[in-house]
Amino acid sequence: GQQLNQSPQSMFIQEGEDVSMNCTSSSIFNTWLWYKQEPGEGPVLLIALYKAGELTSNGRLTAQFGITRKDSFLNISASIPSDVGIYFCAGRTSTGANSKLTFGKGITLSVRP
Amino acid sequence: NAGVTQTPKFRILKIGQSMTLQCTQDMNHNYMYWYRQDPGMGLKLIYYSVGAGITDKGEVPNGYNVSRSTTEDFPLRLELAAPSQTSVYFCASTLDGNYGYTFGSGTRLTVV
Repeated sequence: GQQLNQSPQSMFIQEGEDVSMNCTSSSIFNTWLWYKQEPGEGPVLLIALYKAGELTSNGRLTAQFGITRKDSFLNISASIPSDVGIYFCAGRTSTGANSKLTFGKGITLSVRP
Repeated sequence: NAGVTQTPKFRILKIGQSMTLQCTQDMNHNYMYWYRQDPGMGLKLIYYSVGAGITDKGEVPNGYNVSRSTTEDFPLRLELAAPSQTSVYFCASTLDGNYGYTFGSGTRLTVV
């Protein structure tokens, strides 16, 4: 089946720094999504991308749908302590009744004040 | 709108006991999903449903059962709890196959 690769498993940054995460696959996806999960909560959708090359922002977050459709990037600018959490990428290879999201294993982000 | 509601939030079971994890959504979403999350392993799909009366197996269905008698509810049943089922369980829903999922806040289950 399709796999989404996220690495490293953990990232440690200083407050105020920018951070970039990527998500790669050997399969082509037609939808990419980025989720954030805070401790004790379920994942929350941050950004959804539906078109190759699409660049979408949500506040300090910017995500891009890779031109090859095999990757996506999430950038967080000017990080703050509340950015701490696990960031998951997810993708879908098709649409319709049996299409399901494939999730990466997530990157745990720590922000030092 | 409450979104996706899961109960209970925490539960400790003894080996061999059974329980039902409840999930309900008030967004009139057609599709619902059950995932388990283990540390460093991401989200693994247990079962899903594309509408009332329709369910299908995901990646890790063994030891679990589901039913979907209404659009709103999608309970997950553990019949004979095993320590390997210690995990955090998330329910999610979406309108159809084109959108992202809305997740509940999870049920943390420990089997001892």
